[in-house]
Amino acid sequence: AQSVSQHNHHVILSEAASLELGCNYSYGGTVNLFWYVQYPGQHLQLLLKYFSGDPLVKGIKGFEAEFIKSKFSFNLRKPSVQWSDTAEYFCAVYGNNRLAFGKGNQVVVIP
Amino acid sequence: GAVVSQHPSRVICKSGTSVKIECRSLDFQATTMFWYRQFPKQSLMLMATSNEGSKATYEQGVEKDKFLINHASLTLSTLTVTSAHPEDSSFYICSARPGGYNSPLHFGNGTRLTVT
Repeated sequence: AQSVSQHNHHVILSEAASLELGCNYSYGGTVNLFWYVQYPGQHLQLLLKYFSGDPLVKGIKGFEAEFIKSKFSFNLRKPSVQWSDTAEYFCAVYGNNRLAFGKGNQVVVIP
Repeated sequence: GAVVSQHPSRVICKSGTSVKIECRSLDFQATTMFWYRQFPKQSLMLMATSNEGSKATYEQGVEKDKFLINHASLTLSTLTVTSAHPEDSSFYICSARPGGYNSPLHFGNGTRLTVT
């Protein structure tokens, strides 16, 4: 079964700093890739997804992610974060009829 | 590390029958577990929050009489799809945290339900 790795569970940064969250997965077949966000007190929302086509995917709220097949990665980026980006971010990979989640990154943006 | 186990991983059933899906926290106690559903090529949808020893909290639009949730112990929550129909075919996944909000959210591996 595939696994998903997200490192650095706690990330703290200042407003206007750039954010990059890593996501690596282990499955070698065709995959669909997702990033979800969970704001404090709320539930999971979809940020962006990749199924096929352009490996650079743009999502909501200025987020983007790049699928690099050779590296089995789908890193999430935002050039300039805001305080409202404080949340927990999850990478998920669907492949071989299984959906696997990473353990998440808790991101705290300091005003 | 904390592990959430979900069983079965795949199940095929006939219309009208009921199916039970188990979600277990293997090495931690979870007073709260979450049940999600994913439709093909769509994002996860939170169905309900399962609370140990009390009734589950269902999201708007989720039929509580159709999707029965029982959280009888601190390590087990079950989701029963009653009188299943083909439109209930989906991917169901549960999650739980070993501690408070600052602890990572752990997901089960999901259950693929196919109703024929």
